[in-house]
Amino acid sequence: QSALTQPRSVSGSPGQSVTISCTGTSSDVGGYNYVSWYQQHPGKAPKLMIYDVSKRPSGVPDRFSGSKSGNTASLTISGLQAEDEADYYCCSYAGSYTSLWVFGGGTKLTVL
Amino acid sequence: EVQLVESGGGLVQPGGSLRLSCAASGFTFSSYEMNWVRQAPGKGLEWVSYISSSGSTIYYADSVKGRFTISRDNAKNSLYLQMNSLRAEDTAVYYCARGAAAGTIRYYFDYWGQGTLVTVSS
Repeated sequence: QSALTQPRSVSGSPGQSVTISCTGTSSDVGGYNYVSWYQQHPGKAPKLMIYDVSKRPSGVPDRFSGSKSGNTASLTISGLQAEDEADYYCCSYAGSYTSLWVFGGGTKLTVL
Repeated sequence: EVQLVESGGGLVQPGGSLRLSCAASGFTFSSYEMNWVRQAPGKGLEWVSYISSSGSTIYYADSVKGRFTISRDNAKNSLYLQMNSLRAEDTAVYYCARGAAAGTIRYYFDYWGQGTLVTVSS
């Protein structure tokens, strides 16, 4: 069982927006502004999409945005495109020496 | 271009050992913290271990503490993971992932390798 809770799947049509939630505790998501999101296509390595809750690395489209409220972080993808279909994982710094980072179980995004 | 290339995975019997390597290029390896992250088949990601840029600070997840050893050779631009007393539940793709540059505060992984598969089975 993953430390952070994500919905198993979400879906949306091209052009629509979807939001993926990521719920943790005050020891991880709620305790630090260090939530990151990773996109993973089948058989590929994860790719950083959002860091520090809402910042986008260079090259990531501004259709991707992140936010946080309390112990829950969210990733919103607007203007869905076919290539956005992938698994998405949230991650939070947790600060414990035996659990520095915790991940969510992943959300499968299907573009209908 | 930043590149991380893992190797050393394979099939090993329960109780066996394996050493993974991660060859880094395209950046000043000695200036960056590094991590191992694994993904069991069909499952999510799990942070495994962290090593500081100099190698002086190391952390492990509870699930591998006492069995796995992370190390690095900055002269060879390489990261390693020595895995002993392997269990079936260690079966996963193991990724090396770049962390913060020394002297910076950064809590995410900006580059990942393609991963190497470790299968623990008799």
